[in-house]
Amino acid sequence: AQTVTQSQPEMSVQEAETVTLSCTYDTSENNYYLFWYKQPPSRQMILVIRQEAYKQQNATENRFSVNFQKAAKSFSLKISDSQLGDTAMYFCAFMKHYLGNQGGKLIFGQGTELSVKP
Amino acid sequence: GAVVSQHPSRVICKSGTSVKIECRSLDFQATTMFWYRQFPKQSLMLMATSNEGSKATYEQGVEKDKFLINHASLTLSTLTVTSAHPEDSSFYICSARDGQGLSYNEQFFGPGTRLTVL
Repeated sequence: AQTVTQSQPEMSVQEAETVTLSCTYDTSENNYYLFWYKQPPSRQMILVIRQEAYKQQNATENRFSVNFQKAAKSFSLKISDSQLGDTAMYFCAFMKHYLGNQGGKLIFGQGTELSVKP
Repeated sequence: GAVVSQHPSRVICKSGTSVKIECRSLDFQATTMFWYRQFPKQSLMLMATSNEGSKATYEQGVEKDKFLINHASLTLSTLTVTSAHPEDSSFYICSARDGQGLSYNEQFFGPGTRLTVL
């Protein structure tokens, strides 16, 4: 069975600074996807960034980037130039590769509550 | 694109009554839908996976007769909490996946429903 672990329940960062959120996972699968989701106070889940395990290049989306270490089963999220709107709960998630219309289950970590301070 | 709606956003009911929550994919066909439960400051707990036209697959520990899931069409899934009790009070989130589309490896989340049982 797959597991996802986020060992930082809470973190804080000053506005405009950089912060890194940690995530490790355990799986015997070779083909899978990793995600970071943001859940602001509205509680709407928002996809921040996605990484395909078969890609060696780390994914980047504007101020958000990941450090994907497949051998170490590590998937950290770096937020650069932190903004007040980045304040949210962040969840790391794992999905096995599926074909067709079956499956697609997400396994979530415990979450990291990030506060961006002015 | 890829919008998922939930209705109602909030519901308050008396103990012993049943409550139905709807989850709709507005601009794509959701071959698979997922129902999650989330307690404050905690992660999302998967309750069940439903594929259109077939019975839902429930996670271990989730009562099938308590949480009835119907996925009758490619755009609508419903969760009915039967004989609700105060311990069923929670935030319920649905997500949908288009297993046939280009984003087959992604889930799209609804805004959630806050259920309060008095």
